[in-house]
Amino acid sequence: NAGVTQTPKFQVLKTGQSMTLQCAQDMNHNSMYWYRQDPGMGLRLIYYSASEGTTDKGEVPNGYNVSRLNKREFSLRLESAAPSQTSVYFCASSAGATMRGNTIYFGEGSWLTVV
Amino acid sequence: EDKVVQSPLSLVVHEGDTVTLNCSYEVTNFRSLLWYKQEKKAPTFLFMLTSSGIEKKSGRLSSILDKKELFSILNITATQTGDSAVYLCAAIIQGAQKLVFGQGTRLTINP
Repeated sequence: NAGVTQTPKFQVLKTGQSMTLQCAQDMNHNSMYWYRQDPGMGLRLIYYSASEGTTDKGEVPNGYNVSRLNKREFSLRLESAAPSQTSVYFCASSAGATMRGNTIYFGEGSWLTVV
Repeated sequence: EDKVVQSPLSLVVHEGDTVTLNCSYEVTNFRSLLWYKQEKKAPTFLFMLTSSGIEKKSGRLSSILDKKELFSILNITATQTGDSAVYLCAAIIQGAQKLVFGQGTRLTINP
Protein backbone atom coordinates (compact mmCIF):
# COMPACT_ATOMS: atom_id res chain seq x y z
CA ASN A 1 0.00 0.00 0.00
CA ALA A 2 1.36 3.39 -0.99
CA GLY A 3 -0.44 5.42 1.71
CA VAL A 4 0.52 9.08 1.35
CA THR A 5 2.97 9.90 -1.42
CA GLN A 6 4.55 13.29 -1.81
CA THR A 7 6.93 14.58 -4.44
CA PRO A 8 9.57 15.78 -4.83
CA LYS A 9 11.58 14.49 -1.86
CA PHE A 10 14.30 17.09 -2.27
CA GLN A 11 14.32 20.42 -4.07
CA VAL A 12 16.61 23.44 -4.20
CA LEU A 13 15.05 26.68 -5.41
CA LYS A 14 16.35 30.15 -6.04
CA THR A 15 14.63 33.05 -4.34
CA GLY A 16 11.65 34.13 -6.41
CA GLN A 17 11.16 30.83 -8.21
CA SER A 18 7.89 28.99 -7.98
CA MET A 19 7.20 25.33 -7.43
CA THR A 20 4.44 22.91 -6.50
CA LEU A 21 4.65 20.08 -3.98
CA GLN A 22 2.39 17.22 -4.94
CA CYS A 23 0.60 14.91 -2.51
CA ALA A 24 -1.62 11.94 -3.20
CA GLN A 25 -3.29 9.41 -0.91
CA ASP A 26 -4.87 6.12 -1.86
CA MET A 27 -6.88 5.49 1.31
CA ASN A 28 -10.05 7.30 0.27
CA HIS A 29 -9.54 9.84 3.09
CA ASN A 30 -11.65 12.96 3.26
CA SER A 31 -9.16 15.25 5.00
CA MET A 32 -5.70 16.26 3.83
CA TYR A 33 -3.09 18.57 5.35
CA TRP A 34 0.16 20.35 4.64
CA TYR A 35 2.56 20.94 7.52
CA ARG A 36 6.01 22.46 7.65
CA GLN A 37 8.63 21.49 10.18
CA ASP A 38 11.48 23.76 11.19
CA PRO A 39 14.13 23.02 13.82
CA GLY A 40 12.70 23.53 17.32
CA MET A 41 9.24 24.39 15.98
CA GLY A 42 7.45 21.06 15.74
CA LEU A 43 4.97 20.76 12.88
CA ARG A 44 2.97 23.82 11.93
CA LEU A 45 -0.17 23.61 9.83
CA ILE A 46 -0.04 25.54 6.56
CA TYR A 47 -3.36 24.63 4.95
CA TYR A 48 -5.84 21.84 5.24
CA SER A 49 -8.75 20.46 3.29
CA ALA A 50 -11.52 18.89 5.33
CA SER A 51 -13.16 17.45 2.23
CA GLU A 52 -12.93 17.58 -1.53
CA GLY A 53 -13.68 21.07 -2.75
CA THR A 54 -12.80 22.88 0.50
CA THR A 55 -9.56 24.36 1.77
CA ASP A 56 -8.77 26.37 4.90
CA LYS A 57 -5.82 28.27 6.27
CA GLY A 58 -3.80 26.89 9.12
CA GLU A 59 -1.28 28.64 11.37
CA VAL A 60 1.24 29.74 8.72
CA PRO A 61 -0.47 30.15 5.32
CA ASN A 62 1.34 33.26 4.06
CA GLY A 63 3.33 32.65 0.88
CA TYR A 64 1.49 29.45 0.00
CA ASN A 65 -1.51 28.37 -2.01
CA VAL A 66 -3.18 24.99 -2.18
CA SER A 67 -5.44 23.06 -4.51
CA ARG A 68 -7.56 20.06 -3.63
CA LEU A 69 -7.60 18.71 -7.14
CA ASN A 70 -9.80 15.73 -6.30
CA LYS A 71 -10.29 13.46 -3.33
CA ARG A 72 -6.84 11.88 -3.79
CA GLU A 73 -4.65 14.88 -4.44
CA PHE A 74 -3.74 18.01 -2.48
CA SER A 75 -0.98 20.23 -3.82
CA LEU A 76 0.96 23.05 -2.18
CA ARG A 77 2.32 25.89 -4.29
CA LEU A 78 5.02 28.41 -3.50
CA GLU A 79 4.46 31.28 -5.92
CA SER A 80 7.65 33.21 -5.14
CA ALA A 81 9.95 31.23 -2.90
CA ALA A 82 11.77 32.96 -0.06
CA PRO A 83 14.66 31.70 2.11
CA SER A 84 12.23 31.68 5.08
CA GLN A 85 10.38 28.86 3.32
CA THR A 86 13.36 26.54 3.63
CA SER A 87 11.85 23.70 5.61
CA VAL A 88 10.68 20.12 5.59
CA TYR A 89 7.13 19.79 4.31
CA PHE A 90 4.82 16.96 5.31
CA CYS A 91 1.56 16.05 3.71
CA ALA A 92 -0.92 14.05 5.80
CA SER A 93 -4.38 12.61 5.47
CA SER A 94 -7.06 11.34 7.80
CA ALA A 95 -10.36 9.58 7.54
CA GLY A 96 -12.34 12.59 8.68
CA ALA A 97 -14.15 14.11 11.59
CA THR A 98 -13.13 11.65 14.29
CA MET A 99 -9.42 12.16 13.65
CA ARG A 100 -8.37 9.07 15.54
CA GLY A 101 -4.67 9.32 16.05
CA ASN A 102 -3.82 6.07 14.39
CA THR A 103 -5.72 6.99 11.26
CA ILE A 104 -3.65 10.08 10.52
CA TYR A 105 -1.06 9.14 7.95
CA PHE A 106 1.97 11.21 7.03
CA GLY A 107 3.95 11.26 3.84
CA GLU A 108 7.71 10.85 4.02
CA GLY A 109 8.48 14.55 3.76
CA SER A 110 9.86 16.96 1.16
CA TRP A 111 13.10 18.76 1.96
CA LEU A 112 13.01 22.21 0.38
CA THR A 113 15.92 24.65 0.36
CA VAL A 114 15.55 28.18 -0.97
CA VAL A 115 18.83 29.97 -1.70
CA GLU B 1 -4.50 31.11 20.33
CA ASP B 2 -4.17 27.34 20.63
CA LYS B 3 -0.82 26.31 22.04
CA VAL B 4 1.03 23.10 22.85
CA VAL B 5 4.34 23.29 24.72
CA GLN B 6 6.79 20.45 25.27
CA SER B 7 9.65 20.20 27.72
CA PRO B 8 12.49 19.68 27.78
CA LEU B 9 13.36 20.58 24.20
CA SER B 10 16.40 18.35 24.32
CA LEU B 11 17.46 15.51 26.59
CA VAL B 12 20.56 13.30 26.62
CA VAL B 13 20.65 10.21 28.82
CA HIS B 14 22.49 6.92 29.07
CA GLU B 15 21.10 3.62 27.89
CA GLY B 16 19.02 2.02 30.63
CA ASP B 17 17.85 5.30 32.17
CA THR B 18 14.18 6.20 32.55
CA VAL B 19 12.96 9.43 30.97
CA THR B 20 9.83 11.54 31.33
CA LEU B 21 8.77 13.91 28.57
CA ASN B 22 6.23 16.63 29.24
CA CYS B 23 3.49 18.18 27.15
CA SER B 24 1.17 20.97 28.25
CA TYR B 25 -1.64 22.41 26.19
CA GLU B 26 -3.96 25.37 26.03
CA VAL B 27 -6.50 24.82 23.31
CA THR B 28 -10.14 25.66 22.88
CA ASN B 29 -12.43 22.65 22.64
CA PHE B 30 -9.80 20.04 23.46
CA ARG B 31 -10.64 16.55 22.28
CA SER B 32 -7.57 14.32 22.55
CA LEU B 33 -3.82 14.37 22.81
CA LEU B 34 -1.48 12.40 20.59
CA TRP B 35 2.12 11.33 20.97
CA TYR B 36 4.34 10.62 17.97
CA LYS B 37 7.90 9.40 17.53
CA GLN B 38 9.86 10.93 14.67
CA GLU B 39 13.15 9.52 13.51
CA LYS B 40 14.49 10.62 10.16
CA LYS B 41 11.23 10.92 8.28
CA ALA B 42 7.51 11.02 9.01
CA PRO B 43 6.11 10.93 12.56
CA THR B 44 4.84 7.53 13.66
CA PHE B 45 1.91 7.21 16.01
CA LEU B 46 2.46 6.13 19.62
CA PHE B 47 -0.60 6.95 21.73
CA MET B 48 -3.88 8.77 21.70
CA LEU B 49 -5.21 9.95 25.07
CA THR B 50 -8.73 11.17 25.52
CA SER B 51 -9.65 10.38 29.13
CA SER B 52 -7.92 11.78 32.16
CA GLY B 53 -5.98 9.46 34.47
CA ILE B 54 -5.98 6.36 32.29
CA GLU B 55 -2.49 5.16 31.50
CA LYS B 56 -1.73 3.78 28.08
CA LYS B 57 1.17 1.37 27.74
CA SER B 58 3.11 -0.11 24.90
CA GLY B 59 6.14 -2.10 25.96
CA ARG B 60 8.54 0.25 27.72
CA LEU B 61 6.52 3.34 26.79
CA SER B 62 3.58 4.67 28.74
CA SER B 63 1.60 7.88 28.75
CA ILE B 64 -1.09 9.56 30.80
CA LEU B 65 -3.27 12.64 30.45
CA ASP B 66 -4.36 15.11 33.13
CA LYS B 67 -7.25 17.17 31.77
CA LYS B 68 -7.56 19.23 34.93
CA GLU B 69 -3.97 20.46 34.85
CA LEU B 70 -3.86 20.34 31.01
CA PHE B 71 -0.78 18.21 30.52
CA SER B 72 0.43 14.80 29.51
CA ILE B 73 3.61 12.86 30.14
CA LEU B 74 5.36 10.19 28.13
CA ASN B 75 7.56 7.78 30.08
CA ILE B 76 10.19 5.54 28.60
CA THR B 77 11.81 2.99 30.91
CA ALA B 78 15.04 1.06 30.33
CA THR B 79 15.90 3.29 27.38
CA GLN B 80 17.73 1.89 24.36
CA THR B 81 19.69 3.63 21.63
CA GLY B 82 16.79 2.92 19.27
CA ASP B 83 14.64 5.24 21.36
CA SER B 84 16.69 8.19 20.14
CA ALA B 85 14.26 10.37 18.21
CA VAL B 86 12.18 13.52 18.35
CA TYR B 87 8.99 12.98 20.34
CA LEU B 88 6.04 15.13 19.37
CA CYS B 89 2.77 15.71 21.11
CA ALA B 90 -0.27 17.19 19.40
CA ALA B 91 -3.74 18.27 20.48
CA ILE B 92 -6.83 17.42 18.48
CA ILE B 93 -9.35 20.21 18.57
CA GLN B 94 -12.98 19.12 18.87
CA GLY B 95 -14.89 19.73 15.69
CA ALA B 96 -11.86 20.95 13.76
CA GLN B 97 -9.99 18.96 11.19
CA LYS B 98 -6.53 19.65 12.46
CA LEU B 99 -3.82 18.95 15.00
CA VAL B 100 -1.78 21.52 16.90
CA PHE B 101 1.75 20.26 17.53
CA GLY B 102 4.28 21.08 20.21
CA GLN B 103 7.89 21.89 19.37
CA GLY B 104 9.08 18.37 20.04
CA THR B 105 11.63 16.91 22.47
CA ARG B 106 14.84 15.61 20.95
CA LEU B 107 15.86 12.56 22.96
CA THR B 108 19.35 11.14 22.59
CA ILE B 109 20.27 7.85 24.22
CA ASN B 110 24.00 7.25 24.56
CA PRO B 111 25.33 3.71 24.89
